[in-house]
Amino acid sequence: QVQLVQSGAEVKKPGASVKVSCKASGYSFSGYYLHWVRQAPGQGLEWMGWINPNSGDTNYAQRFQGRVTMTRDTSISTAYMELSSLRSDDTAVYFCVRVENNWGQGTLVSVSS
Amino acid sequence: EIVLTQSPGTLSLSPGERATLSCRASQSVRSSYLAWYQQKPGQAPRLLIYRTSSRATGIPDRFSGSGSGTDFTLTISRLEPEDFAVYYCLQYGTSPPRLTFGGGTKVEIK
Repeated sequence: QVQLVQSGAEVKKPGASVKVSCKASGYSFSGYYLHWVRQAPGQGLEWMGWINPNSGDTNYAQRFQGRVTMTRDTSISTAYMELSSLRSDDTAVYFCVRVENNWGQGTLVSVSS
Repeated sequence: EIVLTQSPGTLSLSPGERATLSCRASQSVRSSYLAWYQQKPGQAPRLLIYRTSSRATGIPDRFSGSGSGTDFTLTISRLEPEDFAVYYCLQYGTSPPRLTFGGGTKVEIK
């Protein structure tokens, strides 16, 4: 069955970067876009962007342009999302998503001095 | 950019009652690429409905979706205790693909 397994929780200081991984299994990794979505505590869902694992092409939401980088390693069916210049309001659970039905379990990123 | 507005923000109902949740788009959603998710605390969202009205695998038939263009509805015919949660709509019909979520509707026990 399709599974997306993400890396564990992270604690970072303001100004640092974080890199979250998402390992896919149970389907052809290169065949489906992978999106990244985040959810701040008590808030709704916010789309960050996508990567095309086949080509490596990316498309980022405007508010994250310049701070987010999405990459992939097709040899291990894993996608990555790196967010830089972290601020306290980047504290959130980050999900990788294969639309429509497959979500990773989420990775909590906490940003605090 | 498509904006999705969900209403009401909170719905207070009793078990056994009918719930009607609305999702309105700022422009037409292409090919009805509109989905509904249920989310409980500490969990990832769970797909209920895709392509406006198709139930996902394992979803009970008390959940139904309808609509077209800019107006979409999720109906829960008879609320069960496990249905009290937050519900989000999602449009995914743009090209290149962008995901837009509604702000959510919380269904709480009255």
